[in-house]
Amino acid sequence: NAGVTQTPKFRILKIGQSMTLQCAQDMNHNYMYWYRQDPGMGLKLIYYSVGAGITDKGEVPNGYNVSRSTTEDFPLRLELAAPSQTSVYFCASSPMGAGTDTQYFGPGTRLTVL
Amino acid sequence: GENVEQHPSTLSVQEGDSAVIKCTYSDSASNYFPWYKQELGKGPQLIIDIRSNVGEKKDQRIAVTLNKTAKHFSLHITETQPEDSAVYFCAASNYGQNFVFGPGTRLSVLP
Repeated sequence: NAGVTQTPKFRILKIGQSMTLQCAQDMNHNYMYWYRQDPGMGLKLIYYSVGAGITDKGEVPNGYNVSRSTTEDFPLRLELAAPSQTSVYFCASSPMGAGTDTQYFGPGTRLTVL
Repeated sequence: GENVEQHPSTLSVQEGDSAVIKCTYSDSASNYFPWYKQELGKGPQLIIDIRSNVGEKKDQRIAVTLNKTAKHFSLHITETQPEDSAVYFCAASNYGQNFVFGPGTRLSVLP
């Protein structure tokens, strides 16, 4: 198993540009999450999904959109990039409903908006 | 909504000593409390977790205690080693939804 994979690893955007951060997991987990981590800070939940076709807002959803058309993929969309979105983005998945809440994290995407 | 506080923000211990990190949460509906270790440039990795129906859990040198009444839980690391140096995060969630993380504790184990 590859676990949770994220692409790209690094990206620099100009203000106003858009992009999609990709996240995929091959563990057949039903729950998936997107977090951002600002320098020296904890993780903030952006969006999460409890299954294909179902998404919900976390603590900091403004400026982002998500979709979950398959169990495996959970892309995060930034429509109009702003400097405040400079951060490291982590995707995670969890086999909720299988007796554990454990989250498995991807390696992260480092995004800089200039 | 849920709010998680974590103390201390930095902690330095001598190799072989114990380290204790404490977290408090606000939402009594939270029922799952994981601890993560994050090394530089990597994603968080679960090291131990506890559910609200358990008061204590231990895994070798690592233990977590939970006090539901006081709404706080703690991470205990005994016989610390240099490789324990990292940032540690606590978190709280309700049935795997809406995880809220603490701000983190930077642990340094001095040889």
